[in-house]
Amino acid sequence: DIVMTQTPLSSPVTLGQPASISCRSSQSLVHSDGNTYLSWLQQRPGQPPRLLVYKVSNRFSGVPDRFSGSGAGTDFTLKISRVEAEDVGVYYCLHATQFFGQGTRLEIK
Amino acid sequence: QVQLVQSGDEVKKPGASVKVSCKGSGYTFSNYGITWVRQAPGQGLEWMGWISAYNGDTYYAQKVQGRVTMTTDTSTSTAYMDLRGLTSDDTAVYYCARGASVAGTSDYWGQGTLVTVSS
Repeated sequence: DIVMTQTPLSSPVTLGQPASISCRSSQSLVHSDGNTYLSWLQQRPGQPPRLLVYKVSNRFSGVPDRFSGSGAGTDFTLKISRVEAEDVGVYYCLHATQFFGQGTRLEIK
Repeated sequence: QVQLVQSGDEVKKPGASVKVSCKGSGYTFSNYGITWVRQAPGQGLEWMGWISAYNGDTYYAQKVQGRVTMTTDTSTSTAYMDLRGLTSDDTAVYYCARGASVAGTSDYWGQGTLVTVSS
């Protein structure tokens, strides 16, 4: 199985400041169709997960442009350019539909 | 707009079964699959499996293989997840999500169904 490792596991951030979460996979995520199915999900407290970014760098419908994804192969990053209070929650990277990272808890300092 | 609406919370005794439903709307149900994911209290997300609403193909996680059955009813645009032989370790919120293929992206998610297993 593919193992997805996120760092950090917890990230205290000051409002208005940037935040960055890394995700590393145990093997290349490039699919035979040429796509890399690496997504980022946000889970606010008490809410279901919500798709933020898909195929590494594509923002999903309705997602603010302060969220951006990047990376290739085995190393991926989610960046929030300026953290807002509503961004508090747990962020997961996800390969395909199956392989989740452990989650990174974003909290406000 | 795409929506997935799940059935209500359940309380079950150890050894019982539970069947959670997930009704899709706002899209052509048979063109996509449904992923099932669960989250134990205070824990991360765990993939349980995926089913194609087009042809019924299924992929199950090894951890629940043999105890889980996923089905779809295209006439009602509803997916079902049946889990048998419940133990306290199955206490979790169960989510469905739309996904075009098992290798693709889970884009829209249901609201979750809490299943509590307790004697």
